[in-house]
Amino acid sequence: AQSVAQPEDQVNVAEGNPLTVKCTYSVSGNPYLFWYVQYPNRGLQFLLKYITGDNLVKGSYGFEAEFNKSQTSFHLKKPSALVSDSALYFCAVYTNAGKSTFGDGTTLTVKP
Amino acid sequence: GAVVSQHPSRVICKSGTSVKIECRSLDFQATTMFWYRQFPKQSLMLMATSNEGSKATYEQGVEKDKFLINHASLTLSTLTVTSAHPEDSSFYICSACNVGEETQYFGPGTRLLVL
Repeated sequence: AQSVAQPEDQVNVAEGNPLTVKCTYSVSGNPYLFWYVQYPNRGLQFLLKYITGDNLVKGSYGFEAEFNKSQTSFHLKKPSALVSDSALYFCAVYTNAGKSTFGDGTTLTVKP
Repeated sequence: GAVVSQHPSRVICKSGTSVKIECRSLDFQATTMFWYRQFPKQSLMLMATSNEGSKATYEQGVEKDKFLINHASLTLSTLTVTSAHPEDSSFYICSACNVGEETQYFGPGTRLLVL
């Protein structure tokens, strides 16, 4: 069965510092991996995805993620955090027939 | 592009009434839409997969007679919560996939409160 794990419920960083939100996955075959962000009382917004190609994927709002096959990880990163990046972040793996399995989410808080 | 809307954004109803939530793909055709339920500070729970022109596929434990799904066109899916009760209060989110894409595009969600 496909699954994703986000080991941290909460990540706190200071504005201007780099941030990392962790995600590990377990899939059979080649993984299709996604990051989404959710602001309060809103739906999810697509940030970026890895299907194939370069291991470093660049996405919206300055975010990027690195696919690491040996460590089965797909950590989300940003070189310099903004207060407005504070939100709930979900990692997801595409399973089949359009379905995705989502991690439990990580709340990112960026303090000024 | 790839915008998904939901209506209403918020609804309050009395116990025993039925509530319909609409999900529309505004600028693309979605053969498949998904309905999720989300509790506060928790992940999304997939309720059902809605396929245009056919019956929805429900996840284990989701009552299909309580959560009626209709996907009448390539741009519209509806979720009707029948005889709603307070325990049905939640945040309901839909998503849609463009043909040939793996990315899901999410609606803004509907907050349901059953009194």
